[in-house]
Amino acid sequence: EDKVVQSPLSLVVHEGDTVTLNCSYEVTNFRSLLWYKQEKKAPTFLFMLTSSGIEKKSGRLSSILDKKELFSILNITATQTGDSAVYLCAVETLYGNKLVFGAGTILRVKS
Amino acid sequence: DTEVTQTPKHLVMGMTNKKSLKCEQHMGHRAMYWYKQKAKKPPELMFVYSYEKLSINESVPSRFSPECPNSSLLNLHLHALQPEDSALYLCASSHFPSDTQYFGPGTRLTVL
Repeated sequence: EDKVVQSPLSLVVHEGDTVTLNCSYEVTNFRSLLWYKQEKKAPTFLFMLTSSGIEKKSGRLSSILDKKELFSILNITATQTGDSAVYLCAVETLYGNKLVFGAGTILRVKS
Repeated sequence: DTEVTQTPKHLVMGMTNKKSLKCEQHMGHRAMYWYKQKAKKPPELMFVYSYEKLSINESVPSRFSPECPNSSLLNLHLHALQPEDSALYLCASSHFPSDTQYFGPGTRLTVL
């Protein structure tokens, strides 16, 4: 059965801290790994990773994938209160259009 | 237009009611999805439409009935729901099947 595990489940940091969120997966026929940020409503897309070792960056956020060890990390530097959200990791398989989601990491950034 | 829209934002219905959720996108995406998300849980896939044809039904009860009238529109018809069906219903779309999915804002459904 396809599985995506995120850690930690929740995290509280102070503004300005750097955080690293983890996502490990066991899926057959891996196609891509996606990170989403979810605040009150819908998940918003952050990154899609398909190749190992290539870092994707967007402002203070960055992510990298290791297809050999089957994990990805999401880094957020100089955190701000607006980064407080649930961060979801999802893996897409080659066959079918399914996203398998992890349980999410709840991040709270205190001012 | 680069977004997925959903209506209504909130819906309260009784167990004998019939209602519909609507999802629309004008990005030319050819795959559309319905997800159900309970509180503090990740989204769970319900249905996938590829090129306006139902391609995945994740063993969803028949009281949920999807419909894709055209490539821009996706409906979810609700009938005889149970209180445990109360959740956030999310629509997503992608350019092609197996492409990055973009989510709408969701409909918060409460079944009394």
